[in-house]
Amino acid sequence: GAVVSQHPSWVICKSGTSVKIECRSLDFQATTMFWYRQFPKQSLMLMATSNEGSKATYEQGVEKDKFLINHASLTLSTLTVTSAHPEDSSFYICSAGVTNEQYFGPGTRLTVT
Amino acid sequence: KQEVTQIPAALSVPEGENLVLNCSFTDSAIYNLQWFRQDPGKGLTSLLLIQSSQREQTSGRLNASLDKSSGRSTLYIAASQPGDSATYLCAVPTGTASKLTFGTGTRLQVTL
Repeated sequence: GAVVSQHPSWVICKSGTSVKIECRSLDFQATTMFWYRQFPKQSLMLMATSNEGSKATYEQGVEKDKFLINHASLTLSTLTVTSAHPEDSSFYICSAGVTNEQYFGPGTRLTVT
Repeated sequence: KQEVTQIPAALSVPEGENLVLNCSFTDSAIYNLQWFRQDPGKGLTSLLLIQSSQREQTSGRLNASLDKSSGRSTLYIAASQPGDSATYLCAVPTGTASKLTFGTGTRLQVTL
């Protein structure tokens, strides 16, 4: 149980375009999901907390207008990277919380050319 | 602000050795600590979760300990195998939303 999926697993896009990443909890409902970003050989950094039915809470330094988060249902949160630039190239990982434990998706590798 | 540090940053050991990975955190007011494994280019696999009321947790060849008062946790891996090669991350919840603060990670390589 407690499986989280992400789609796509990898994506290449051109600079200036937007990319949407989906995070789904497959066998449980999650009122809260989290989005993390990981640069090569670095640890995970929390970007935002996604709450079902309300606005996301962004960490300091994360542009909310650039990284749009929608948590439309208890099993789906989406992250849209708008007007992507090469510096947005990174590994994006979501997680879903169940009580005091989090379950992580497999990640999405974004490369912006 | 919670800061989580892991030592060493990288470790290479021959197969069969027992090893210890260290994790330290600055704010001891945590209600649990989690250890994860991450293979290159992959997501995270949860290894062990220790509640604040526990001192250690075991799963197979893995044993994790927690000392809240000193702000430390250790992950002990017994009889290491090449398949254990990965990056190991510890993480603690921060604030009321259960968001995690991750450590800097230890890259482990177990050689034949």
